[in-house]
Amino acid sequence: AQSVAQPEDQVNVAEGNPLTVKCTYSVSGNPYLFWYVQYPNRGLQFLLKYITGDNLVKGSYGFEAEFNKSQTSFHLKKPSALVSDSALYFCAVRGRNSGNTPLVFGKGTRLSVIA
Amino acid sequence: DADVTQTPRNRITKTGKRIMLECSQTKGHDRMYWYRQDPGLGLRLIYYSFDVKDINKGEISDGYSVSRQAQAKFSLSLESAIPNQTALYFCATSDSHSSYEQYFGPGTRLTVT
Repeated sequence: AQSVAQPEDQVNVAEGNPLTVKCTYSVSGNPYLFWYVQYPNRGLQFLLKYITGDNLVKGSYGFEAEFNKSQTSFHLKKPSALVSDSALYFCAVRGRNSGNTPLVFGKGTRLSVIA
Repeated sequence: DADVTQTPRNRITKTGKRIMLECSQTKGHDRMYWYRQDPGLGLRLIYYSFDVKDINKGEISDGYSVSRQAQAKFSLSLESAIPNQTALYFCATSDSHSSYEQYFGPGTRLTVT
């Protein structure tokens, strides 16, 4: 079975400070990993993905994520947070050999960037 | 994402009523999904379809049905709405020939009174 854990319901960070939103996953074999962001009253927007290759993936709005196979993690990071980054963030996973199965999403982490 | 549209955007209905939520996409994707979002529970998959003749139940399909009328259209029905179906509903699409990222519509906020 595939699963994703986002251990923090809420992350608070001061504007200008680095931010990290944590994600760990469980799949059989190698994963496809994704991050999405949801702004108020909006649908989910794709931020970035890890498919293969370099473990550090860069995405939209200055976000990046690091795939760590030994720790089964895919934490989302940004060097300097902006107030406009305040939103709900979802991690998602799919096993590369899991056949025709949809993405499995975590429960989300609410990021609050304080000016 | 304007390529995935959902109607209506907001709906208030009474217990026992039948309601249909519609999703259309212009992305040319073959796969479509319906999720519901509840605070603290994240996204839960209701139904998904990998092509027009393929319909699959997700983790919370009870009380819901779907119809894939065309590759671009996927509708979700609540045959007899109940208050615990009050939620935010999202449609999503993906392309089986790519890396499986999903693209979401703007959502439908449904309230069952």
